Amino acid sequence: QVQLQESGPGLVKPSETLSLTCAVSGGSITSYYWSWIRQPPGKRLEWIGYIYYSGNTNYNPSLKSRATISVDTSKNQFSLKLSSVTAADTAVYYCATYDSTGIFEYWGQGTLITVSS
Amino acid sequence: DIQMTQSPSSLSASVGDRVTITCRASQSISGYLNWYQQKPGKAPKLLIYAASSLHSGVPSRFSGSGSGTDFTLTISSLQPEDFAPYYCQQSYSSPVTFGQGTNLEIK
Repeated sequence: QVQLQESGPGLVKPSETLSLTCAVSGGSITSYYWSWIRQPPGKRLEWIGYIYYSGNTNYNPSLKSRATISVDTSKNQFSLKLSSVTAADTAVYYCATYDSTGIFEYWGQGTLITVSS
Repeated sequence: DIQMTQSPSSLSASVGDRVTITCRASQSISGYLNWYQQKPGKAPKLLIYAASSLHSGVPSRFSGSGSGTDFTLTISSLQPEDFAPYYCQQSYSSPVTFGQGTNLEIK
């Protein structure tokens, strides 16, 4: 069974870049698309983007090109960078698997990122 | 983007009740509709995929139906552990989008 674990700073200052990593265990990094999803407090889930192990990516246009997802197959992990953050980027960030049928099957526990000075 | 709208946003019910949650897409998504349950402080858990297929390990009291723009999630006999928010998600076109959620509460 695939297990995912997010890690990140918790607090990020406005205008800075948020960086998160998701460690993958129990499965091959070549088996899925690897996705980031976030949930602002009290709001709906928002898909950020995904990456395939080959490096192919797809992002939500709502983020206006601020998001970059990368994969490190040697470490079995993938990462998210979100630039020029504002308070609106405060959310619980989840990493998850995404497959060709369009489902998010395995999820990390989520990590709360607060944007504040 | 395809907009997903759930109704109701909140629902009060009792253990043993049969409940139905509706999800409507702003355009046809064929059968590309998934349902998730999210316990407080936890990640969402996949319940139903492709509108009506029960994910492995999910109790049979959960069922899904629909196609095109209108979909339903039904819980046939509510158990105490079922009280949680539920979200629908379309995977018909990018970007993937979620409904705003239905909070299922104990009456």
